[in-house]
Amino acid sequence: GAVVSQHPSRVICKSGTSVKIECRSLDFQATTMFWYRQFPKKSLMLMATSNEGSKATYEQGVEKDKFLINHASLTLSTLTVTSAHPEDSSFYICSARTVDGYTFGSGTRLTVV
Amino acid sequence: QKEVEQNSGPLSVPEGAIASLNCTYSDRGSQSFFWYRQYSGKSPELIMFIYSNGDKEDGRFTAQLNKASQYVSLLIRDSQPSDSATYLCAVKGGNKLVFGAGTILRVKS
Repeated sequence: GAVVSQHPSRVICKSGTSVKIECRSLDFQATTMFWYRQFPKKSLMLMATSNEGSKATYEQGVEKDKFLINHASLTLSTLTVTSAHPEDSSFYICSARTVDGYTFGSGTRLTVV
Repeated sequence: QKEVEQNSGPLSVPEGAIASLNCTYSDRGSQSFFWYRQYSGKSPELIMFIYSNGDKEDGRFTAQLNKASQYVSLLIRDSQPSDSATYLCAVKGGNKLVFGAGTILRVKS
């Protein structure tokens, strides 16, 4: 089946620094990638939708200058959390649409200290 | 009003029993419905999807859809302790999925 590889799986960073999360579609072309955030015991909240070669569409309330999304190729989308703060600590997950539905990356646990 | 609603649980069932998970949605125009399983600290895994009214079976899992009632459910037969997880209902709206908050299922051996 279609696989989305997400890295890193876990990252700890200092407050004020930036963190980049990568998602690669391994055996298919992902023209659209969805980025979610999930807080403990909460559901997935869509942050933004990225389309290859164009600007990402952000959901209401998500700061586009803080969460930079790049989708430069059909197999790679990145999310950069800029000037991270402790409240950005969360589980970030990417997802791509496939013929069977939507497949998810393995997630990135971000901890900002 | 939440777009996709699920009972948060936990739903506890004994091993071997049938677990019934329910979900309601608000957008009457929704066409595609998905059930995902999520283990703690992991990303969601697709269990199955359903588009048409009625039942769809896949192994121990059966999804049921009733568009008139805006209701979708997941039945898990012969529940196993390994089925203990959070089950997420998702509804496709436009090009994106809208998730419910999830139901925690606990299967006791």
